[in-house]
Amino acid sequence: GENVEQHPSTLSVQEGDSAVIKCTYSDSASNYFPWYKQELGKRPQLIIDIRSNVGEKKDQRIAVTLNKTAKHFSLHITETQPEDSAVYFCAANHGGAQKLVFGQGTRLTINP
Amino acid sequence: NAGVTQTPKFQVLKTGQSMTLQCAQDMNHNSMYWYRQDPGMGLRLIYYSASEGTTDKGEVPNGYNVSRLNKREFSLRLESAAPSQTSVYFCARGQGNTGELFFGEGSRLTVL
Repeated sequence: GENVEQHPSTLSVQEGDSAVIKCTYSDSASNYFPWYKQELGKRPQLIIDIRSNVGEKKDQRIAVTLNKTAKHFSLHITETQPEDSAVYFCAANHGGAQKLVFGQGTRLTINP
Repeated sequence: NAGVTQTPKFQVLKTGQSMTLQCAQDMNHNSMYWYRQDPGMGLRLIYYSASEGTTDKGEVPNGYNVSRLNKREFSLRLESAAPSQTSVYFCARGQGNTGELFFGEGSRLTVL
């Protein structure tokens, strides 16, 4: 089955700096890679996603890159702000279906 | 954010007791999911339902049963609760054919 590995498990950056979270996946049939943000005590919410037919996607301060050959994808957050502090999860769909397998999560802390 | 409603939000059980977590969506989407979230382990898929009347096992189905009686509702049942099932449970629905999941607010279950 699909296996998604996420690193680092915790990340602390200064406000205004950039943050990068990386994920690898194992199923070559996966073609959808979303990123979710979960604030403390809240539900996970989609912040950005990418499909296998593109290599990069941006939405204001966040971007995702995908390397299908190497089976890895990354989340980039620029000009970090205190409200970016949260747990971030990457995911990949298993077998190209609508079944998402999640990484273990990264706790991002933005220091003022 | 009514999209997915889960009940109850909190529950404490004794080992061996049974209970059902209820989930209902207010849209007409086909796919629904049950995930559990444990510290350091991300979100793990328990069961999912691609459409009304169909269910399939996810990564961690042991100790659980599900029921998709109609398009709106997808319930998760613990027949004989164990302390290892202490977790936060999230129900989710798919967003059409996009692959995106929309999560409920979660149900925190403690098994003593």
